[in-house]
Amino acid sequence: EVQLVESGGGLVKPGGSLRLSCAASRFTFSTYAMNWVRQAPGTGLEWVSSISSSSGYINYADSVKGRFTISRDNAKNSLYLQMNNLRADDTAVYYCARGSLYSTTLFDLWGQGTLVAVSS
Amino acid sequence: DIQMTQSPSTLSASVGDRVTITCRASQSISSWLAWYQQKPGKAPKLLIFKSSRLESGVPSRFSGNGSGTEFTLTISSLQPDDFATYHCQQYNGDSTTFGQGTKLEIK
Repeated sequence: EVQLVESGGGLVKPGGSLRLSCAASRFTFSTYAMNWVRQAPGTGLEWVSSISSSSGYINYADSVKGRFTISRDNAKNSLYLQMNNLRADDTAVYYCARGSLYSTTLFDLWGQGTLVAVSS
Repeated sequence: DIQMTQSPSTLSASVGDRVTITCRASQSISSWLAWYQQKPGKAPKLLIFKSSRLESGVPSRFSGNGSGTEFTLTISSLQPDDFATYHCQQYNGDSTTFGQGTKLEIK
């Protein structure tokens, strides 16, 4: 089955760091742009970051720019999100999402999500 | 950033009803509009892209329409599996934004 599986979420104190991972399977990971999208409790969806298939183009939402770093390892079929200087408003379920072949930010495959909670 | 506004926020309907959800963009996005369905505790699922194109495997009772700044998602005859939250998304350019979501409830 084609799928994305996130890991690495958890409880962290404000100012702390966390690294999320997303493992892809059953599709040619290296040909797709990938993204992170988050959803704070009871709210809508917020795009966080995108990375092109070869890592040559990276983009961030203003809310995380300078604190989060997206990366990928095509040999390991994996996507990452390094999150530093975390704040309470970063609390959310973080989804890994594949960019479709039509557009980097059209999400045609999603993982199940991993919860990040930032609290003292 | 382009703001996306959905209405209504909550919609109560019955099985068999025809329902329409509206999404408005703060500026023109041509037809770069997608709709997702999300059930509680689950990831969103892509239903429609480029305003009116159905994703593979999505039932034909779902349809999308619109261009520029106003868009609609219509479900022609509600089925029990359709009660969920629906999100619109503009993907015009490097960044992307979502509407706040519309929760479709059983009346």
